[in-house]
Amino acid sequence: GAVVSQHPSWVICKSGTSVKIECRSLDFQATTMFWYRQFPKQSLMLMATSNEGSKATYEQGVEKDKFLINHASLTLSTLTVTSAHPEDSSFYICSARVNRSISYEQYFGPGTRLTVT
Amino acid sequence: AQSVAQPEDQVNVAEGNPLTVKCTYSVSGNPYLFWYVQYPNRGLQFLLKYITGDNLVKGSYGFEAEFNKSQTSFHLKKPSALVSDSALYFCAVRGAGSYQLTFGKGTKLSVIP
Repeated sequence: GAVVSQHPSWVICKSGTSVKIECRSLDFQATTMFWYRQFPKQSLMLMATSNEGSKATYEQGVEKDKFLINHASLTLSTLTVTSAHPEDSSFYICSARVNRSISYEQYFGPGTRLTVT
Repeated sequence: AQSVAQPEDQVNVAEGNPLTVKCTYSVSGNPYLFWYVQYPNRGLQFLLKYITGDNLVKGSYGFEAEFNKSQTSFHLKKPSALVSDSALYFCAVRGAGSYQLTFGKGTKLSVIP
């Protein structure tokens, strides 16, 4: 149980284009999903918290107009990188919170490697 | 504010030997503590957690961690390391009043055959 998927697992796009990454909780409902960014050999940096049916909460320094997050259902959140640039190249990981757990565990997706050329 | 420190960037251990990956934390109130493992180009896999109760927590793949409140530590341990344990390990903390996880910078574990 508690499986989170991401699609695509990797994507290469040209500078100036937009890319959408999907995060799905496969066997549970997640009212809250999180989006992280990980640079090589570094820890995860929380970008935003996504609550179903409401606007995402972005961390300081994260451009909300560049990283559009939509959480349309209890099992799906999407991250769209708009007008991507090479500096947006990174590993993006989502997680979903298991609400029924008293510890509010987060289960992580396998990540999406974005390369902007 | 909550924070996690993993003082070692890398830990090398011989196969079959015991391993320890260190983690200390700072948080207001009672901590919820987690260990995750990450293999190359993969997401994080949950290993174990401490919420309350017994200070020694057992998790996946033979790993365990000991919660020490006085030292604010939550070190990850395994009695006998395997080459397949080689990966990046992250400690994370969440305060009782927060739903956000704060991660340490990670420790690369290399198990030498």
